[in-house]
Amino acid sequence: DIVLTQSPATLSLSPGERATLSCRASQTIDNYLVWYRQKPGQAPRLVIFDTSRRATGIPDRFSGSGSGTDFTLTISSLEPEDFAVYYCQQRTNRPITFGQGTRLEIK
Amino acid sequence: QMQLVESGGTLVKPGGSLRLSCTASGFIFSDYYMSWLRQAPGKGLEWISSINHRGTTFDYADSVKGRFSISRDNGKNSLYLQMNSLRDDDTAFYYCVRDLTPIVGAGGHCYSGCLGWFDPWGPGTLVTVSS
Repeated sequence: DIVLTQSPATLSLSPGERATLSCRASQTIDNYLVWYRQKPGQAPRLVIFDTSRRATGIPDRFSGSGSGTDFTLTISSLEPEDFAVYYCQQRTNRPITFGQGTRLEIK
Repeated sequence: QMQLVESGGTLVKPGGSLRLSCTASGFIFSDYYMSWLRQAPGKGLEWISSINHRGTTFDYADSVKGRFSISRDNGKNSLYLQMNSLRDDDTAFYYCVRDLTPIVGAGGHCYSGCLGWFDPWGPGTLVTVSS
């Protein structure tokens, strides 16, 4: 199975700051990397698919980059609703696997 | 507005069975793969099963293969998960999701990026396996 390792485990920032979240795959996944955001007590929501394509309704402060094994989700200027847990997912090889999550918390 | 609503989660004893249901609205249900994912309380996400748009092909995670069975009724816009031989480690929130697996036309073949991503998600239903 492809292992996705997210870093850091926890990221403490203030509203208005820039957030950079990483996801590393144990083998190449081309550009088939997906990001989700999960707010407390809610189901996850799609943020980015295929490395850099924003989902419907996701603001342009969210951007994704990377290829091969190293990927990044960037939030250019944090809003209060962005503080949540973010998961990456690969859709290259079965089984579909997820990273363990990065908790983005208010500093 | 797309919506998925799960039902059927409850407390069940180890070795017991349970059937989860999911009702979809706001999109053409029969045009999409559907999947179930789960999340143990306080833990990460796990894909457990997918079904194609016609209900003719299925896939399961090794952790549930042989115990769980996915099905769908396109006439009722509904997805199901039959869960047998439940174990303590099946305790989790179970999410019904629309699966955006690329659908290849007749005679075609997918060469890359052939698995799905998930949007939207239902709110989840809690299954607790405990004696």
